[in-house]
Amino acid sequence: EAGVTQFPSHSVIEKGQTVTLRCDPISGHDNLYWYRRVMGKEIKFLLHFVKESKQDESGMPNNRFLAERTGGTYSTLKVQPAELEDSGVYFCASSLGAVLGETQYFGPGTRLLVL
Amino acid sequence: TQLLEQSPQFLSIQEGENLTVYCNSSSVFSSLQWYRQEPGEGPVLLVTVVTGGEVKKLKRLTFQFGDARKDSSLHITAAQPGDTGLYLCAGLPDKNTNAGKSTFGDGTTLTVKP
Repeated sequence: EAGVTQFPSHSVIEKGQTVTLRCDPISGHDNLYWYRRVMGKEIKFLLHFVKESKQDESGMPNNRFLAERTGGTYSTLKVQPAELEDSGVYFCASSLGAVLGETQYFGPGTRLLVL
Repeated sequence: TQLLEQSPQFLSIQEGENLTVYCNSSSVFSSLQWYRQEPGEGPVLLVTVVTGGEVKKLKRLTFQFGDARKDSSLHITAAQPGDTGLYLCAGLPDKNTNAGKSTFGDGTTLTVKP
């Protein structure tokens, strides 16, 4: 069975441009999470979808970030306009449930560099 | 403010040696997880500990959750080059918190030389 996939693997854009990251979770996983790791910092939670609904978006840094999961399958994370401090690795993870100890399966990440 | 501090940040050892990685906090966690991440990949869950004082073993890896549930350690016996990677701890502060909203440490980069 395929794991969590993310596209693109790398993206280099200029400040002010728009970038859209995509995540395809494991089939059947209702829970989808976005995280990011900016340079020199720890991995931080961005938001959590349950099917197509945003369960928790408390980690989204500002309104330049927009996440969607239409249809409850794949998800996109759009950054518009991108700023230098948005550079980092964006991870997506999925899980069957969202209870204590539930295993989250991470994708390989998208490495974003904003110049 | 870093909620979970890992030490050491970097560790380079020879094959066959033993090592311990630490994850410390002043906060109490309802559960703590250890992940391993290889270059170009996402973190992969190794273990979840939920009870203070709990010890779990996974082949040559031994994980311990502190009695007060504020700290954890990962001990590797007879390290092998295949153990090389970034080791991350992640804690869930409150059992009522969304289980996906863990706080991550900044990781320990382990290199095991043949």
